[in-house]
Amino acid sequence: AQSVAQPEDQVNVAEGNPLTVKCTYSVSGNPYLFWYVQYPNRGLQFLLKYITGDNLVKGSYGFEAEFNKSQTSFHLKKPSALVSDSALYFCAVRVGYSSASKIIFGSGTRLSIRP
Amino acid sequence: DAGVTQSPTHLIKTRGQQVTLRCSPKSGHDTVSWYQQALGQGPQFIFQYYEEEERQRGNFPDRFSGHQFPNYSSELNVNALLLGDSALYLCASSLGDRGGYTFGSGTRLTVV
Repeated sequence: AQSVAQPEDQVNVAEGNPLTVKCTYSVSGNPYLFWYVQYPNRGLQFLLKYITGDNLVKGSYGFEAEFNKSQTSFHLKKPSALVSDSALYFCAVRVGYSSASKIIFGSGTRLSIRP
Repeated sequence: DAGVTQSPTHLIKTRGQQVTLRCSPKSGHDTVSWYQQALGQGPQFIFQYYEEEERQRGNFPDRFSGHQFPNYSSELNVNALLLGDSALYLCASSLGDRGGYTFGSGTRLTVV
């Protein structure tokens, strides 16, 4: 079955420190991978995506993600965390093709940045 | 450029009632997907509409139905509401196979 796993329910980081939010995937074929962020009582905001090419993908708000095919991982990273980064983060993978594609989400990781 | 618009933002219904949620996709997008996000969980795929037809469906009962109009907007209907249907309902639009999905802010449905 095609799936996405986020092994950590919560990640706590001090402001200014680097952060990593983990994601692993299981899909057939080449994966299209995404990271979304959700603030309280809001919808999902797109951060970045990997389709093909460079394994290090840069996205919004200083976030980046590293695609690792051998480890089937797509971890989200940021060199220096901000308190405003505190939110719920979802890793997702697109499955299917053309107009029959859909996105499968992980269970989410709550990122908490302490001042 | 308007993103995805969902209405209403909040809704309270009684068990057994029916509800209709609405979604206007981002300009230029032709595909609409609906997701249910229960509290503390990731979004779960309900179904997807393209060319006014349901193209894919997740593991949801027939009480959940939808429609897409010629202008690409969409409705999600839920009949015989249960307490467990309380959730944030998200609409996402996309342009076929290209690019990513743009999400709306969601409709918070509470069933009492």
